[in-house]
Amino acid sequence: GAVVSQHPSRVICKSGTSVKIECRSLDFQATTMFWYRQFPKQSLMLMATSNEGSKATYEQGVEKDKFLINHASLTLSTLTVTSAHPEDSSFYICSARDRLAGVVEQYFGPGTRLTVT
Amino acid sequence: GEDVEQSLFLSVREGDSSVINCTYTDSSSTYLYWYKQEPGAGLQLLTYIFSNMDMKQDQRLTVLLNKKDKHLSLRIADTQTGDSAIYFCAESPGSSNTGKLIFGQGTTLQVKP
Repeated sequence: GAVVSQHPSRVICKSGTSVKIECRSLDFQATTMFWYRQFPKQSLMLMATSNEGSKATYEQGVEKDKFLINHASLTLSTLTVTSAHPEDSSFYICSARDRLAGVVEQYFGPGTRLTVT
Repeated sequence: GEDVEQSLFLSVREGDSSVINCTYTDSSSTYLYWYKQEPGAGLQLLTYIFSNMDMKQDQRLTVLLNKKDKHLSLRIADTQTGDSAIYFCAESPGSSNTGKLIFGQGTTLQVKP
């Protein structure tokens, strides 16, 4: 089946530093990847939609200068949290749509736990 | 606006059936989904239903869709302890299926042996 990986799985960083999270589709090409944020015991909130070779589309209320998204290839999207603060601590999950399999299914990565101290 | 609501918690005994309910607001949603999340992990797609269907069955899972009431349910037959997880209902708003998903808050299913 389609597999999406994320790296790192956990990261702790100091306030003010930047952190990059990678999302890879391992056995398929993803024209579109999505980045979600999940707070403890809460739902997933879509942050942005990332299309290969073009600028990401951010949801209302998400700061694009703070959460930089790059989708440089059909198998890799990155989310960089710039100048991280403790309130950015969260579980970040990406998902990807298989270019060839149609538009119904999204495959989710295992998530990245970010802790900002 | 787009909104998906679920009850937060359900507890059942092993072997019983579980029914998790969800309501959504966007009547033009093309697909509705059920995802499962185990602790500390990402989401696993369990099943989905196209909006012109009333029911979909897949082994122990039965999805019922009442489009008039914008109500979706997931029934798990013969619930096992391994089914303990958080279950998310999600809608794909609008008719163009851009891939954007709106998730409910998640229902924590606790299965007692």
